[in-house]
Amino acid sequence: EPEVTQTPSHQVTQMGQEVILRCVPISNHLYFYWYRQILGQKVEFLVSFYNNEISEKSEIFDDQFSVERPDGSNFTLKIRSTKLEDSAMYFCASSSPPHTYGNTIYFGEGSWLTVV
Amino acid sequence: GESVGLHLPTLSVQEGDNSIINCAYSNSASDYFIWYKQESGKGPQFIIDIRSNMDKRQGQRVTVLLNKTVKHLSLQIAATQPGDSAVYFCAENMDQKVTFGTGTKLQVIP
Repeated sequence: EPEVTQTPSHQVTQMGQEVILRCVPISNHLYFYWYRQILGQKVEFLVSFYNNEISEKSEIFDDQFSVERPDGSNFTLKIRSTKLEDSAMYFCASSSPPHTYGNTIYFGEGSWLTVV
Repeated sequence: GESVGLHLPTLSVQEGDNSIINCAYSNSASDYFIWYKQESGKGPQFIIDIRSNMDKRQGQRVTVLLNKTVKHLSLQIAATQPGDSAVYFCAENMDQKVTFGTGTKLQVIP
């Protein structure tokens, strides 16, 4: 079964540093997403991306965050000047076409970010 | 505020029994709902979905029921197995965004 892959699986970074989380969506998918899950809490939407631009973003996704599709396979989430409260599991997801009835959104296994 | 939420945080079920996980939503305009399973340390996994023009949908060992009158949906798991132990989230899809509820932890007692 096709899968979304994410790297790294776990990253520890110092407060104030920049972090890049990487994702390889499923190859024929066109819609990409980032979600995050703080330990013990629900999964929260961050951003959706289509046709090389952001389709929608949540209030969490402020200027500290950015996404990019630098080539034909990778989709990255950059977090600038990390804060302690950025510690969370970050999930990449993809779907094609947009996540609608019958078109499943697939999630990666997540990248666990710890800010110290 | 949160538009999708769950009634109970933890549900313990004897192996072999049926499980019922409930979820309430507040946005009457919501027309597409999904149930996800999340095992410890893993990403959410799609289980089953339902559109608002249906009130029931069945999959393999799972059934989702939707009651639009009271804005409630449920996930029924037949013959619950140890491998069903996980956190279950209901979620609604609007446009290109999936909004998750807070989750119910299902514990299967052998």
